[in-house]
Amino acid sequence: QQQVKQSPQSLIVQKGGISIINCAYENTAFDYFPWYQQFPGKGPALLIAIRPDVSEKKEGRFTISFNKSAKQFSLHIMDSQPGDSATYFCAARPRRETSGSRLTFGEGTQLTVNP
Amino acid sequence: DTEVTQTPKHLVMGMTNKKSLKCEQHMGHRAMYWYKQKAKKPPELMFVYSYEKLSINESVPSRFSPECPNSSLLNLHLHALQPEDSALYLCASSQGPAGPLLMLGNQPQHFGDGTRLSIL
Repeated sequence: QQQVKQSPQSLIVQKGGISIINCAYENTAFDYFPWYQQFPGKGPALLIAIRPDVSEKKEGRFTISFNKSAKQFSLHIMDSQPGDSATYFCAARPRRETSGSRLTFGEGTQLTVNP
Repeated sequence: DTEVTQTPKHLVMGMTNKKSLKCEQHMGHRAMYWYKQKAKKPPELMFVYSYEKLSINESVPSRFSPECPNSSLLNLHLHALQPEDSALYLCASSQGPAGPLLMLGNQPQHFGDGTRLSIL
């Protein structure tokens, strides 16, 4: 019940294309869904996050789509650039945690954007 | 540059050595975390400190010993590690519980760039 399943494992996109990464979860107690971007040799950096009361959130070229009934959410990267090449992790956190925030991560997607 | 600073960036140690990893944040965050990350895998939670008290220990072996001397600092003391402990060790912080109900809200975790640890 704590799992977050992420796909695809790897993705190759041409410059200017749309990158789509999908995640699915089972635990209905999750109420916060962040996406992290990680470059080699760096820590994960928060990219964008969404709550389940919103179906879509857009920040620049990055959009999260959220389907509460299907328990799925996805990251869309519009006009993908070579600089977007990184590993992307979706994550989820249950509500009402009182002693620290236990994030459950997906397995990650290695995105390569070809010039 | 991240707002969570970890030192050292790289560490090579033998199995009998004792070393410490350090993490510092000055964002006023009251929750701090240690994660372990193996290559091509997501971060795995090890410990959580909330208001300088250990609140979550994910059944981590005792050869890893966390310490939170104050609200800005987090240490991870290492002793008698095994080769399989070689990994990237990440520190993170978040605002932490707030208010009388201690509700977390949607407070993001901010990660440092990690310490690359190699055990010989």
